[in-house]
Amino acid sequence: EAQVTQNPRYLITVTGKKLTVTCSQNMNHEYMSWYRQDPGLGLRQIYYSMNVEVTDKGDVPEGYKVSRKEKRNFPLILESPSPNQTSLYFCASRGGGLAEYEQYFGPGTRLTVT
Amino acid sequence: SQQGEEDPQALSIQEGENATMNCSYKTSINNLQWYRQNSGRGLVHLILIRSNEREKHSGRLRVTLDTSKKSSSLLITASRAADTASYFCATAHNAGGTSYGKLTFGQGTILTVHP
Repeated sequence: EAQVTQNPRYLITVTGKKLTVTCSQNMNHEYMSWYRQDPGLGLRQIYYSMNVEVTDKGDVPEGYKVSRKEKRNFPLILESPSPNQTSLYFCASRGGGLAEYEQYFGPGTRLTVT
Repeated sequence: SQQGEEDPQALSIQEGENATMNCSYKTSINNLQWYRQNSGRGLVHLILIRSNEREKHSGRLRVTLDTSKKSSSLLITASRAADTASYFCATAHNAGGTSYGKLTFGQGTILTVHP
């Protein structure tokens, strides 16, 4: 089954404790991205990757890091989480060279930073 | 600022009625997509309409695009309680530059269909 998986689905952590949210897709997609969703703000792109070893900032990259060492995986790293990073996070992927294709979304990771 | 903005923010209807949601955007696009999100879950792609298309259908969904007005509408006909969800439009920019391949989402319309 074609899918995007994220882990963990729920995470409660404390300020400053490094964490990684994993994302994996089994569709051989080149393009992957991370979004955060906050009430009243919709979805905002954090980082995206057009292929292995090619990543770039989205709209709200501060406080986040990503890496793309393999085509299927695109982890999101919070080196020193802060309460304002409490949010619902989605990983997404799509194929194709241009933005002409639908994005497939993971189930989401609900992060709470206290 | 947000590229796509939906209207209304919330819509409440009875089963069997039609639901219409609108989306406006600011700059030129490659295509516009509509997604659905059930509460707290991932988004699911519904339909994509390219900038050179004016109307598209998929089952009970009808999407229109007016590039001169920079607006789109999503019509769900004969709604069902199972259509209750949030609906987002997302605009895809033309290739090139920092906007390459990016989807910009609006804040969504919350649709409630009462049985």
